[in-house]
Amino acid sequence: NAGVTQTPKFQVLKTGQSMTLQCAQDMNHNSMYWYRQDPGMGLRLIYYSASEGTTDKGEVPNGYNVSRLNKREFSLRLESAAPSQTSVYFCASSESGRGEAFFGQGTRLTVV
Amino acid sequence: AQSVTQPDIHITVSEGASLELRCNYSYGATPYLFWYVQSPGQGLQLLLKYFSGDTLVQGIKGFEAEFKRSQSSFNLRKPSVHWSDAAEYFCAVSTSGTYKYIFGTGTRLKVLA
Repeated sequence: NAGVTQTPKFQVLKTGQSMTLQCAQDMNHNSMYWYRQDPGMGLRLIYYSASEGTTDKGEVPNGYNVSRLNKREFSLRLESAAPSQTSVYFCASSESGRGEAFFGQGTRLTVV
Repeated sequence: AQSVTQPDIHITVSEGASLELRCNYSYGATPYLFWYVQSPGQGLQLLLKYFSGDTLVQGIKGFEAEFKRSQSSFNLRKPSVHWSDAAEYFCAVSTSGTYKYIFGTGTRLKVLA
C-alpha cells in the first residue's frame, strides 16, 4: 500500500520555466491537498480539492494551478516559475477533510 | 479566520526529561485537532488526533495531548524523551465542512544525550 506518491522528489528549474508536480493516492480518499513548506512558516495550503471535480484556492494560490484529474490524482502546475516558489511541496489526502490527512514524501523544488 | 499558534520555535531537552509542546488555536466551531511529526527530509506522520470525547488522547511513540476548550489549547506531552524524538512537530486544526487543514509554524525539538 503506497499511500500518497509524489513525483518528482527533486527538481531544479530556471526562472520562467514551467513544470507539473504529480500526486497520486491509492486510499480511495475524496479530498486532496497541496501544501508548501518554508522554514519558519509551517505548511501553507496552496490549493485543495474537497472531492473529485472540485478545486479551491488555499492560503497561497498565486502562481499555481491545479487539476484533479480523477479521484486518485491531483497535480500542481507552475506556469512560470519564480525564485519565490523555491520550497518543499507536499501533497496530502484525506477521506473527508476531517479525519487524518496522509502526506507524501515531498518534492524539493529549487528555482534559480 | 482559523489559525494555529505554536509559540515555541525551538525546544531543547535532555534525554529522559519530560516534554510539553504548546499549541493554541483560534476557531469558533468545534475543531478537529492533530499533532504531526516530521523527521528531516521526510513527510509528516500523524502522532495523535482529537475529534470528540475524552479530552486526553493517546498517540503513537508514547505521546499524549490534552484538549482544553477553555484555553483553546491542545498541548503535546511525553513523560520521557528519547533521542529519536528529535524532529519537528506540527499542530494542525480542521473543522467540519471546511475540508482544510491549517498548520502551525512548527516546533523543532532537539534532544541532548
